[in-house]
Amino acid sequence: QQQVKQSPQSLIVQKGGISIINCAYENTAFDYFPWYQQFPGKGPALLIAIRPDVSEKKEGRFTISFNKSAKQFSLHIMDSQPGDSATYFCAASISGFQKLVFGTGTRLLVSP
Amino acid sequence: GAGVSQSPSNKVTEKGKDVELRCDPISGHTALYWYRQRLGQGLEFLIYFQGNSAPDKSGLPSDRFSAERTGESVSTLTIQRTQQEDSAVYLCASSPSSGRETQYFGPGTRLLVL
Repeated sequence: QQQVKQSPQSLIVQKGGISIINCAYENTAFDYFPWYQQFPGKGPALLIAIRPDVSEKKEGRFTISFNKSAKQFSLHIMDSQPGDSATYFCAASISGFQKLVFGTGTRLLVSP
Repeated sequence: GAGVSQSPSNKVTEKGKDVELRCDPISGHTALYWYRQRLGQGLEFLIYFQGNSAPDKSGLPSDRFSAERTGESVSTLTIQRTQQEDSAVYLCASSPSSGRETQYFGPGTRLLVL
């Protein structure tokens, strides 16, 4: 019940296209859902995060869509660029319990 | 300001040896986390420190793993009698408080157990 399932495992998108990564969870106590971006040899860095009181959050080219009833959330990268090529992790946590539960990651390659 | 730093960046050891991994959190951050990232997998929570509270050790995989933190500064993760399955990247993160704050990650220590 603590798992966060992420798909796809890998994704190839052409420059300018839309990248979509999906995550699903079971534990309804989760109330914080961040996305992290990780480049090779680096630690993950927070990209964008959402709480369940909103259905969508947008920051620049990055949008999180959240479906509380379906227990799913997704990351959309608009106008994908080669510099977006990285591994993306979704995560979830519960207030008062600080550990993040991570998905297994999606390796995104944006072709020029 | 400086981010989270970890040392060593790489560590190769022989099976059965003990290793110590160090994390220097961002100054002023009261919360510190250790995660493990196996090749091609997501991050697994290991342990969490918050100020002077008892640490949350619920993610430590065995009693060979332990961690300490000195006040609100440096933390050390120790793995005793290393096994080949301990090979992974060990990531440290810190955050300003125990709320739902952003966790800032260090670059990790890549551990290879031969």
